[in-house]
Amino acid sequence: NAGVTQTPKFQVLKTGQSMTLQCAQDMNHNSMYWYRQDPGMGLRLIYYSASEGTTDKGEVPNGYNVSRLNKREFSLRLESAAPSQTSVYFCASSAPDRGNEQYFGPGTRLTVT
Amino acid sequence: AQSVSQHNHHVILSEAASLELGCNYSYGGTVNLFWYVQYPGQHLQLLLKYFSGDPLVKGIKGFEAEFIKSKFSFNLRKPSVQWSDTAEYFCAVMLSSGSARQLTFGSGTQLTVLP
Repeated sequence: NAGVTQTPKFQVLKTGQSMTLQCAQDMNHNSMYWYRQDPGMGLRLIYYSASEGTTDKGEVPNGYNVSRLNKREFSLRLESAAPSQTSVYFCASSAPDRGNEQYFGPGTRLTVT
Repeated sequence: AQSVSQHNHHVILSEAASLELGCNYSYGGTVNLFWYVQYPGQHLQLLLKYFSGDPLVKGIKGFEAEFIKSKFSFNLRKPSVQWSDTAEYFCAVMLSSGSARQLTFGSGTQLTVLP
């Protein structure tokens, strides 16, 4: 099992450019999450998907969209990147039969100039 | 809304020293509690978790945490730290009820262990 995988690992964008961060899990988990990590602020939830076909806003959803393509994949899209979106982005997944413990991917380091 | 406080932002210890990292949460209902660790350049890994039962929870790598409900605390401890414990540590809280299993993270504590 690869667990949770994310692509790309690093990305540099110019202000106004768009991009999609990809996340996939092979653990058959129902729920998936996108977080951003900023220094001194811990991880903050951007969006989550409790199950295939559903998505909901988290704490900091502005400037982002998500798609739960199928049970395995959950993508995060920045339509018009801003410097404030410079961050490290983590995807996670969880399942009720594992106590809803969240498993994290390796992260994507995004810089917006 | 629930919140999680980690009061120590940066802790510096020498090898073999004892460690205690504080974590307090604000929520009156039933919660699940977690400690995650992030080694430099790596993703978050679960150290330990508390759902119910014995409030003293043992995790990986010799770490343990004690849930004190009356104090809304879930402090992380290790009797003797090693250089390899240098990492950032995050406390997190999840509500036990509700359809969405969201985690609320603390701001993290950077631990530096000097050889």
